Amino acid sequence: DSGVTQTPKHLITATGQRVTLRCSPRSGDLSVYWYQQSLDQGLQFLIQYYNGEERAKGNILERFSAQQFPDLHSELNLSSLELGDSALYFCASSPSGRTHNEQYFGPGTRLTVT
Amino acid sequence: GQSLEQPSEVTAVEGAIVQINCTYQTSGFYGLSWYQQHDGGAPTFLSYNALDGLEETGRFSSFLSRSDSYGYLLLQELQMKDSASYFCAVRMDSNYQLIWGAGTKLIIKP
Repeated sequence: DSGVTQTPKHLITATGQRVTLRCSPRSGDLSVYWYQQSLDQGLQFLIQYYNGEERAKGNILERFSAQQFPDLHSELNLSSLELGDSALYFCASSPSGRTHNEQYFGPGTRLTVT
Repeated sequence: GQSLEQPSEVTAVEGAIVQINCTYQTSGFYGLSWYQQHDGGAPTFLSYNALDGLEETGRFSSFLSRSDSYGYLLLQELQMKDSASYFCAVRMDSNYQLIWGAGTKLIIKP
């Protein structure tokens, strides 16, 4: 158990809909990252937050948005969903200091768009 | 563009040693990470190399050559539980954003 929690574990929805994925980082970690992993693919970095502020943006679609709240939990919002958005969505957090290059991943949310 | 190359699949025998290579071409480089992911699971951190050389952690070691834009993960005394996908990832800048390789599926035979 990494200490990172994600909800829900599974989500099935229809095209055109909007969903929100939630992530709670490990206690004390200020950085949160969101990744998308399609079937048998590597991880695509979407976005990073540090202490409530957006730090870096990757290949995140305009239909997707995220935020990190004062209590450091983060939400990833996916709208106007398409079949191709079906994937595993991971959240990770990392500590400050000496081990800041280690990212700890949550169990993921499996999104299926039908 | 940014690219990381690693073999898609490697097969080895239980108890043996296996090396998984990673070459990268990125516009910036701070360090190279390795992660393990079992089927259906989340990636777990294995190692991070910022400087040239070999770092050992138990049965796993990771090597980096910055001049060759190359690194490898070495797994010794292979166990069946090591069957998983292994990803290399480059940290490119002062943020901690990672660019990921496509992963190497390690198959271990008894």
